[in-house]
Amino acid sequence: AQSVTQPDIHITVSEGASLELRCNYSYGATPYLFWYVQSPGQGLQLLLKYFSGDTLVQGIKGFEAEFKRSQSSFNLRKPSVHWSDAAEYFCAVGYSSASKIIFGSGTRLSIRP
Amino acid sequence: NAGVTQTPKFRVLKTGQSMTLLCAQDMNHEYMYWYRQDPGMGLRLIHYSVGEGTTAKGEVPDGYNVSRLKKQNFLLGLESAAPSQTSVYFCASSYSDSAGNTIYFGEGSWLTVV
Repeated sequence: AQSVTQPDIHITVSEGASLELRCNYSYGATPYLFWYVQSPGQGLQLLLKYFSGDTLVQGIKGFEAEFKRSQSSFNLRKPSVHWSDAAEYFCAVGYSSASKIIFGSGTRLSIRP
Repeated sequence: NAGVTQTPKFRVLKTGQSMTLLCAQDMNHEYMYWYRQDPGMGLRLIHYSVGEGTTAKGEVPDGYNVSRLKKQNFLLGLESAAPSQTSVYFCASSYSDSAGNTIYFGEGSWLTVV
């Protein structure tokens, strides 16, 4: 069965610093990969997704992620974080049909002024 | 656009009571999902549906039932609520095309079982 691991429960970075959130998946075939963001009390918003093609994916709000098949990873990056980026971030993986999508346990991002 | 709408948004139940959460989507999506979100656990898939009249179990299906009688609606039922079912429930829908699949989430339903 597929699974998603986000090893960092909580990360704090200074405003203006770079960010990398880790995501590892377990799935036999090429997965569909997603990053979502959730602000407190809100639903989930899609940041970016990967299905095929270029392994470096650009998303909204200045985020990007890189699919590395050899490492089974799909890490999320941002070169310079803003205070408004403080939220919880979820990585997710889907089957090739993408009819069943499994989420990681999330990483909470705090921004230090 | 309404997107994915969940009702009710808040509910307090007593142990043993039953209730149904309703999810409606107006995007003509084939796939629909029910997730629960608990602190430190992320989102866990309860049940999902790949089309009208079909349902399938997810990661944590016990204690819940679902129905998809109409393409636009996906109902989640708790027959006998337990305190362990206190959670935030998210409904979602998606479609699949040549660009892949994207899930659209509702705003969540906060359920407390006392």
